[in-house]
Amino acid sequence: SQELEQSPQSLIVQEGKNLTINCTSSKTLYGLYWYKQKYGEGLIFLMMLQKGGEEKSHEKITAKLDEKKQQSSLHITASQPSHAGIYLCGAVPGGGADGLTFGKGTHLIIQP
Amino acid sequence: GAVVSQHPSWVICKSGTSVKIECRSLDFQATTMFWYRQFPKQSLMLMATSNEGSKATYEQGVEKDKFLINHASLTLSTLTVTSAHPEDSSFYICSARGTSGSRGKNIQYFGAGTRLSVL
Repeated sequence: SQELEQSPQSLIVQEGKNLTINCTSSKTLYGLYWYKQKYGEGLIFLMMLQKGGEEKSHEKITAKLDEKKQQSSLHITASQPSHAGIYLCGAVPGGGADGLTFGKGTHLIIQP
Repeated sequence: GAVVSQHPSWVICKSGTSVKIECRSLDFQATTMFWYRQFPKQSLMLMATSNEGSKATYEQGVEKDKFLINHASLTLSTLTVTSAHPEDSSFYICSARGTSGSRGKNIQYFGAGTRLSVL
């Protein structure tokens, strides 16, 4: 079965600083999803990456997919308190239209 | 605004009772919905795939008689936890998969989750 490992598990960043979260898959990535969750709440869709080398940005968040490395990274520029939360990467095993396998998440805290 | 509505958001029940959780896609039709379970400080684990008009597909280790799923329409899937016990206490989240159009194809939109506490 596919496993997704996220690093770091937790991250404390001073407001205004940049940060990067990584997601590494044990198997080939056919697509990679990034979500944000506040503890005990639902998931907010951030981005979906489908092609090797693909890079997408939304506001101050950029995600890249390195298919060869079976890895994706999420980069936040000039972090703000609103960025605080748990970031989850998810992938569809085998690339089909199935349920997602998720990493354990990265808990991001923004210090004012 | 939310595109997937989940209800209730929180439920407390006595051991042995059954609890029904609803998941609705608000502005798109979802032939496929998914049910996940999340334990405190852990990630989401897929429980089952709910397909409109057909039987749900359960992940290994998930009891289909314990967690009844019904997907009777293109906008509604329900999860019923039957004869709930304290070990069933958890956070249950549904998602609906978008189709082409305004909701991106293959993007899963999640509900806000239901926190179940079984006494």
